[in-house]
Amino acid sequence: AQTVTQSQPEMSVQEAETVTLSCTYDTSESNYYLFWYKQPPSRQMILVIRQEAYKQQNATENRFSVNFQKAAKSFSLKISDSQLGDTAMYFCAFMKGRGNTGKLIFGQGTTLQVKP
Amino acid sequence: SQTIHQWPATLVQPVGSPLSLECTVEGTSNPNLYWYRQAAGRGLQLLFYSVGIGQISSEVPQNLSASRPQDRQFILSSKKLLLSDSGFYLCAWSVSTLMGTYGNQPQHFGDGTRLSIL
Repeated sequence: AQTVTQSQPEMSVQEAETVTLSCTYDTSESNYYLFWYKQPPSRQMILVIRQEAYKQQNATENRFSVNFQKAAKSFSLKISDSQLGDTAMYFCAFMKGRGNTGKLIFGQGTTLQVKP
Repeated sequence: SQTIHQWPATLVQPVGSPLSLECTVEGTSNPNLYWYRQAAGRGLQLLFYSVGIGQISSEVPQNLSASRPQDRQFILSSKKLLLSDSGFYLCAWSVSTLMGTYGNQPQHFGDGTRLSIL
């Protein structure tokens, strides 16, 4: 069975600085996908970034980037130039590859507070 | 464009009462549909998923059930609510592909229902 672990329940960062959120996972699958979702106080879940396991290049979306270490089964999220609107709970998630029904397995979440 | 609607937004129910939460998707056909529960301060746990009308898979044994009477309608139900059913319930959809790979088709979430059991 796959598991996703986020070891940082809470983090804070000053506005305009950089912060890294950690995520590790456990799987015996070779083909899978990893995601970071953001849940602001409004509670809506928003996809932040996605990584295919077969791609060595780290995914990037504007100020958001990941450090994907497949051998170490690590998938951290870096937020550059943090903004107040980045305050949210962040979830790391895992999805099996081909043949899956699209099920996501989520970590426990990290609450990020961006301070002015 | 596709949209997902989930209601009600909040619900307060007494223990032992029935439950019906509804989720509908617009702008797409034959989506995969999902029900998640989020306990306070915790991650999301997948409860049910459906790949087609009348096709429901349960991920965890529990007091709840799900149904999909129409292609874009997903309902979460209970005959008798327990205190432990309290939480935040999220419905989600994703595109279903013939190739069976879904990593390129992210899940899109509704706004959620906060359920409090008294």
